[in-house]
Amino acid sequence: GAGVSQSPSNKVTEKGKDVELRCDPISGHTALYWYRQSLGQGLEFLIYFQGNSAPDKSGLPSDRFSAERTGGSVSTLTIQRTQQEDSAVYLCASEEAGGSYEQYFGPGTRLTVT
Amino acid sequence: AQSVTQPDIHITVSEGASLELRCNYSYGATPYLFWYVQSPGQGLQLLLKYFSGDTLVQGIKGFEAEFKRSQSSFNLRKPSVHWSDAAEYFCAVGGLDMRFGAGTRLTVKP
Repeated sequence: GAGVSQSPSNKVTEKGKDVELRCDPISGHTALYWYRQSLGQGLEFLIYFQGNSAPDKSGLPSDRFSAERTGGSVSTLTIQRTQQEDSAVYLCASEEAGGSYEQYFGPGTRLTVT
Repeated sequence: AQSVTQPDIHITVSEGASLELRCNYSYGATPYLFWYVQSPGQGLQLLLKYFSGDTLVQGIKGFEAEFKRSQSSFNLRKPSVHWSDAAEYFCAVGGLDMRFGAGTRLTVKP
């Protein structure tokens, strides 16, 4: 079946512009995660959605970052007034209900802020 | 709060040699532990996981890992490395609150 998809695969934007990154999880997966992977660093947790519960936003680095998940499926990560330090690969992962805790990752969106 | 430490940023091994990648964790309860692999240009793929039971777990691609509670470790091993194993390896701990280590980059020499 289809895996997790993310769009765009690459995004180049000018400093100060807003960007939206999209994640389509595996159908039926109830949990969705966003991570940031900077060069030479690990995966930095950003935000987590589980069903209809309030999202865990504890990893968002600043109020310029926000995310939504509509209808329990597609998610959009928005970065406002982008800064050069926002340049990174943004990864999305989804997870099915039932406690397997196995996350299925998308290919990522590479964001470059010039 | 839970955390994961992968002490080795980069490891180089010869093809056919054995491999051990280290992972230490901090977690308030019995941890769920994972190893993921990220091959160049590809997404992360689960290699193996530990929830409970036998502390030696087998994964895909010939990898195994051993949970040692006394050492708070979950090291990844492979008896004989193949060139295709060159990748970035991430250890992770947690369940719904998963946290990843910084990763270890594996280079395989011919």
